[in-house]
Amino acid sequence: GAVVSQHPSWVICKSGTSVKIECRSLDFQATTMFWYRQFPKQSLMLMATSNEGSKATYEQGVEKDKFLINHASLTLSTLTVTSAHPEDSSFYICSARRILTGELFFGEGSRLTVL
Amino acid sequence: AQTVTQSQPEMSVQEAETVTLSCTYDTSESDYYLFWYKQPPSRQMILVIRQEAYKQQNATENRFSVNFQKAAKSFSLKISDSQLGDAAMYFCAYRSAMNYGGATNKLIFGTGTLLAVQP
Repeated sequence: GAVVSQHPSWVICKSGTSVKIECRSLDFQATTMFWYRQFPKQSLMLMATSNEGSKATYEQGVEKDKFLINHASLTLSTLTVTSAHPEDSSFYICSARRILTGELFFGEGSRLTVL
Repeated sequence: AQTVTQSQPEMSVQEAETVTLSCTYDTSESDYYLFWYKQPPSRQMILVIRQEAYKQQNATENRFSVNFQKAAKSFSLKISDSQLGDAAMYFCAYRSAMNYGGATNKLIFGTGTLLAVQP
């Protein structure tokens, strides 16, 4: 089956630093990728929709200057949490929509802990 | 706006028994997709089953089947012959099939049901 890989799977950083999370579709091309945030025992909250070659579309309440999304190729999208603070600690999940079929595949998620 | 509701935060089932997880949704659209996703402790979301709204026949995937009631806006998941590996968080999700100005349609998730399987 199709594989979506996220890296790193977990990261610990100091408050004030920036962290980049990568989302790669390993064996298919995806014009659209989605970034979610999930708090413990809660549902996935969509943060933004990332379209290859264009600006990301952010959901209401999500700070685009804090959560920078880049989708430079058909297989890679990145989420950068800038000037991270403890309240940004969460589980971040990406999903990629396969071209042609429209099927959606999820990455393994990345756990961010900000000290 | 569309909403998805899962009213059972937690469920438990004995191994080899059958369990049904509930999901209701609200929409004014006529064309859409419904999904059940499984999120095991590893945290990666896995598609369990998918239903197109225009299809009257309920989707089935091995031990997993749905009861899709379009008029009632209900989409329950039945797991037969439950196995220990079925223990996970299950999310119901909705996606519009309408294309609004070419925008990519997003998944709207319910709050999830945590399923425990007792040996």
